[in-house]
Amino acid sequence: GENVEQHPSTLSVQEGDSAVIKCTYSDSASNYFPWYKQELGKGPQLIIDIRSNVGEKKDQRIAVTLNKTAKHFSLHITETQPEDSAVYFCAASIKPNTGNQFYFGTGTSLTVIP
Amino acid sequence: SAVISQKPSRDICQRGTSLTIQCQVDSQVTMMFWYRQQPGQSLTLIATANQGSEATYESGFVIDKFPISRPNLTFSTLTVSNMSPEDSSIYLCSVEVGGEQYFGPGTRLTVT
Repeated sequence: GENVEQHPSTLSVQEGDSAVIKCTYSDSASNYFPWYKQELGKGPQLIIDIRSNVGEKKDQRIAVTLNKTAKHFSLHITETQPEDSAVYFCAASIKPNTGNQFYFGTGTSLTVIP
Repeated sequence: SAVISQKPSRDICQRGTSLTIQCQVDSQVTMMFWYRQQPGQSLTLIATANQGSEATYESGFVIDKFPISRPNLTFSTLTVSNMSPEDSSIYLCSVEVGGEQYFGPGTRLTVT
């Protein structure tokens, strides 16, 4: 089955700096890669996703890049703010599918220092 | 998108008892999913629940321990049976809408 690895496990940045979180996957059939933000005491929230037919996607301060050949994808947060502090999870899936095939990374705890 | 609510939000239970967690979605969905998130860990899929059929359990999870009901297209329950301290976790309900997966706020379970 799919194996998703995520690095780093913890990340501290100064407010205003950029943060980058990287994930690798093993199954070349995976074609959908969402990112989730989980704040303390809450469920994961989808913040951005990318499909295998594009190499980059941006949404304001958040961007995701995908390298299908190398089987890795990254989350980039620019101009970080204290409210970006949370645990971030990457995931890989195969779309379309008839059942749940979301494989999650182990999470990155991001701390933005004011 | 989908708005998901769970009850209870948290509970402290004694060893050997059972807890039923409810999940309500604001729209009709075919598949609902139950995840477990142990402290500081990632998300582990417990089972997939389709309305009108038996839930499909992932390796390491069995129906006797985690019975699931799915009476209609907006509601599901997960029961954690005969609990032990190792069951202390956050339990998350999830649905897939438009190819995207959405999570509920979770139920934080502590077993003493």
